[in-house]
Amino acid sequence: QKEVEQNSGPLSVPEGAIASLNCTYSDRGSQSFFWYRQYSGKSPELIMSIYSNGDKEDGRFTAQLNKASQYVSLLIRDSQPSDSATYLCAGCFNTGGFKTIFGAGTRLFVKA
Amino acid sequence: DVKVTQSSRYLVKRTGEKVFLECVQDMDHENMFWYRQDPGLGLRLIYFSYDVKMKEKGDIPEGYSVSREKKERFSLILESASTNQTSMYLCASSTTGQGGYEQYFGPGTRLTVT
Repeated sequence: QKEVEQNSGPLSVPEGAIASLNCTYSDRGSQSFFWYRQYSGKSPELIMSIYSNGDKEDGRFTAQLNKASQYVSLLIRDSQPSDSATYLCAGCFNTGGFKTIFGAGTRLFVKA
Repeated sequence: DVKVTQSSRYLVKRTGEKVFLECVQDMDHENMFWYRQDPGLGLRLIYFSYDVKMKEKGDIPEGYSVSREKKERFSLILESASTNQTSMYLCASSTTGQGGYEQYFGPGTRLTVT
């Protein structure tokens, strides 16, 4: 059973701090990972994709992938109250066809 | 920009009614998905489709069926709605490509069955 696990939180950080969201997965064959942001009552919005080991930066967001240790993280620099949301980690697994599995999400609160 | 639209944002139906939820994407994506999302249970895959007229069961297909007659359109059907199908329903689409399948979600339909 392929799994993607996240700490449900809530994670609370002060405005301007770095928020660090973590995700682990169970299958070494995973090829790609995604981070989604979901505001309360809204649908998930794709914010980052990462396919290879290392860091990928996009504005205030940095995704990190370490396939040997089987973890993915998302760093949000200069956190803003508007970043308060649930962040979903997803991994795409090759099971004879590609299947995407979502974690349960981490709730982030950024305090003004 | 990818755009995925869903036919209704809010829907209230009665137990036993047949319910149709429609999803349309404008990016010529091969893959389309239906999920439901409930508090504490996360996203659960109901059905997906990788081509016109093709469908695959997801993790919780019971009580649901789907139809994909055109590439851009994927319908979810609740044959006889029950109160335990009250949920947020999310449609998504993705392309097929090396390295992964970024899914783009529609705005969701919040269905209440009374």
